[in-house]
Amino acid sequence: DAKTTQPPSMDCAEGRAANLPCNHSTISGNEYVYWYRQIHSQGPQYIIHGLKNNETNEMASLIITEDRKSSTLILPHATLRDTAVYYCIVRVGGSQGNLIFGKGTKLSVKP
Amino acid sequence: KAGVTQTPRYLIKTRGQQVTLSCSPISGHRSVSWYQQTPGQGLQFLFEYFSETQRNKGNFPGRFSGRQFSNSRSEMNVSTLELGDSALYLCASRWTGGPNEKLFFGSGTQLSVL
Repeated sequence: DAKTTQPPSMDCAEGRAANLPCNHSTISGNEYVYWYRQIHSQGPQYIIHGLKNNETNEMASLIITEDRKSSTLILPHATLRDTAVYYCIVRVGGSQGNLIFGKGTKLSVKP
Repeated sequence: KAGVTQTPRYLIKTRGQQVTLSCSPISGHRSVSWYQQTPGQGLQFLFEYFSETQRNKGNFPGRFSGRQFSNSRSEMNVSTLELGDSALYLCASRWTGGPNEKLFFGSGTQLSVL
């Protein structure tokens, strides 16, 4: 049911930028892309979301391709505390639909 | 502002029993969603309540039910527990359910069925 595809795992060196890709080729014109992360045994934490323009906040940057079929989450200076499962999500079921989570990407930040 | 609060944090039950989990959303949020998380299936959507009415439902058997009260607090009930119901149950709230709203999650209730 998930409308997104992500690599199951990635490694990143501490202090380097982590670039997490996501494919959402069936996304509709008015559907937002959301990113959440989950640290072991905690509830998912919101990171960022966007529609068509690139977005940046204090946690990360979101780059969405012009055709909106893929996006990249960028953590500019990864730390060990960024080790988590990162979920790229598109809302299913219209404006009042729900976020359907896929398997996500397990990001391991290594010293 | 307090976050989403779920109680209890841990729960141990035996097969055949029933269980009720509680979720208090962020103040002012009227939508509450429930998710089940297991190592094999990941995060799966159970249902969403908005203004005391179930608005969306995932693909779970009728043993899983929920309700929402007038103060937006929500409860989830699982009857006739099975071993496979062992999971982390997460609750999330949002203001009204608009397309641009983000979900805020609680820390979850870890249910173990023996």
